[in-house]
Amino acid sequence: DSGVTQTPKHLITATGQRVTLRCSPRSGDLSVYWYQQSLDQGLQFLIQYYNGEERAKGNILERFSAQQFPDLHSELNLSSLELGDSALYFCASSRGTEGIDTQYFGPGTRLTVL
Amino acid sequence: AQSVTQLGSHVSVSEGALVLLRCNYSSSVPPYLFWYVQYPNQGLQLLLKYTTGATLVKGINGFEAEFKKSETSFHLTKPSAHMSDAAEYFCAVNSNFGNEKLTFGTGTRLTIIP
Repeated sequence: DSGVTQTPKHLITATGQRVTLRCSPRSGDLSVYWYQQSLDQGLQFLIQYYNGEERAKGNILERFSAQQFPDLHSELNLSSLELGDSALYFCASSRGTEGIDTQYFGPGTRLTVL
Repeated sequence: AQSVTQLGSHVSVSEGALVLLRCNYSSSVPPYLFWYVQYPNQGLQLLLKYTTGATLVKGINGFEAEFKKSETSFHLTKPSAHMSDAAEYFCAVNSNFGNEKLTFGTGTRLTIIP
């Protein structure tokens, strides 16, 4: 158990819908990262937040957005869903205080878009 | 830009045999390198990481990796495979200091033959 929690574990929805994925980082971690794992694109970095502020952006679509709240939990919002958005979405957290800290991954949310 | 290449999407070894999973990286600055393992239906777990210092890095579950700058490699090895090592292994690189996003390879699925 990494200490990073993600809800829900599974999500099935239809095209055009909007969903919210939630992540709670390990106690004391200030950085939260979101990654997407799909069969065709592998593991891709989406976005990073540090202490409530966006810190880095990767291959995140404009239909996707994220935020980190004062209690440091984070939410990833996916809208106008397409079949191709079906994937495993991971959240990771790290201390984020200095250098390259180890990222600890949650169990993921499996999103299926029908 | 940084990238990771994992040679061999599938590797099969006999129980008790040497495990060798290959990883080559590309980075314009000194990299930080990581190996993660993903068991079925689970998140990613850190096996080991190289930041600076000793080039031979020991990780959990008997795995180790050697950073070879001249070969831009960070291959993962284990002297004797165990059935429980069956999983998918990901090599990752980070060379953007202050931006801790990980760039992952495409993964190697390790199968252990009894």
